Amino acid sequence: NAGVTQTPKFQVLKTGQSMTLQCAQDMNHEYMSWYRQDPGMGLRLIHYSVGAGITDQGEVPNGYNVSRSTTEDFPLRLLSAAPSQTSVYFCASNLAGANTGELFFGEGSRLTVL
Amino acid sequence: DQQVKQNSPSLSVQEGRISILNCDYTNSMFDYFLWYKKYPAEGPTFLISISSIKDKNEDGRFTVFLNKSAKHLSLHIVPSQPGDSAVYFCAASNNNNDMRFGAGTRLTVKP
Repeated sequence: NAGVTQTPKFQVLKTGQSMTLQCAQDMNHEYMSWYRQDPGMGLRLIHYSVGAGITDQGEVPNGYNVSRSTTEDFPLRLLSAAPSQTSVYFCASNLAGANTGELFFGEGSRLTVL
Repeated sequence: DQQVKQNSPSLSVQEGRISILNCDYTNSMFDYFLWYKKYPAEGPTFLISISSIKDKNEDGRFTVFLNKSAKHLSLHIVPSQPGDSAVYFCAASNNNNDMRFGAGTRLTVKP
């Protein structure tokens, strides 16, 4: 029972580089989301998806792109990394939506942008 | 703007005593509230939740209280155990799937 799997767990980038954080879930959950965790800020919603082919912006979407081609996968893309994007990123999923039950989180991806 | 606030960054209690973690929110449209627990190097895990139509929900040692008029909720852990030492996040959501989290409170339970 893998649950929510994130890769990579650690990544160091230079300013301007691009990369994709991968997220996969095997629970057949419709809802998936990405959060970033920063000291003193808690978890902030970046983007979310309520099903394949549907995505929407959260609280802090700038600098990030997402797509949802399958129910299982929800990658987060940084097109041109900036030091302000240094953070710990968490992917989460839920069967029906954030307003109906708890989220299941991955273990996190720690990103450092130099 | 932070719509969910946890004003205490840390809390230390003795094993066996009660831990009370507090959370305030500003958005009256929130209708579902949750607490998550997070250990280092792990993702948050769900602990307990409460709907806005209730004022209390209990699950074993954990009880969440909701005061809608004050826009305040609290998590009570009794008795506290050393294994409860973690960061606790308060979260709130409404119908638009936008779940907002507080900054977290680090609980330390001393043996």
